[in-house]
Amino acid sequence: NAGVTQTPKFQVLKTGQSMTLQCAQDMNHEYMSWYRQDPGMGLRLIHYSVGAGITDQGEVPNGYNVSRSTTEDFPLRLLSAAPSQTSVYFCASRPPRSGQGYEQYFGPGTRLTVT
Amino acid sequence: SQQGEEDPQALSIQEGENATMNCSYKTSINNLQWYRQNSGRGLVHLILIRSNEREKHSGRLRVTLDTSKKSSSLLITASRAADTASYFCATDYRGSTLGRLYFGRGTQLTVWP
Repeated sequence: NAGVTQTPKFQVLKTGQSMTLQCAQDMNHEYMSWYRQDPGMGLRLIHYSVGAGITDQGEVPNGYNVSRSTTEDFPLRLLSAAPSQTSVYFCASRPPRSGQGYEQYFGPGTRLTVT
Repeated sequence: SQQGEEDPQALSIQEGENATMNCSYKTSINNLQWYRQNSGRGLVHLILIRSNEREKHSGRLRVTLDTSKKSSSLLITASRAADTASYFCATDYRGSTLGRLYFGRGTQLTVWP
């Protein structure tokens, strides 16, 4: 299993440009999520999905869109990049919640700089 | 915010010493998890402790949970230079949406050879 993969690893955008961060997992996990990590801020949830066709907002969704057409893929779109979106982005997936709890599996991250 | 908060923010020790980090949280939980992040990498799950458990071990890791104080601690015994990383606690709050996890800001651990 490759686990959770993310592309690209690094990206530089100019203000106003759009792009899509790719995320894929091969563990057949229903739940996938996107986080951003900024210095001193921990991880903040952007969007999440509980299955194909179902997405919802996290705590910092503005400026980002997601869709989930398959179980495997969960792309994150930046509609019009702003310097405030300079961050490291992590995609994560996990199996369905159960009484035993669960762990999240994280991708390696995408480091995005918006100039 | 419902984030857990780790303490201390940074910890520096010598190889062979024990490292203890703490996490405090605000409301009742289903479980609490600890993750490690090496520099420039994604987070890796270390251990999960459920609300009805008080202590859990995994190799050199020992996690305790005190639900009356709403706190948890992570102990790494006989630290190695390879343990240098950031450590995050993540809480699964009761009543949270679909098992969403809330992450703290992390403790940066440096282990000197």
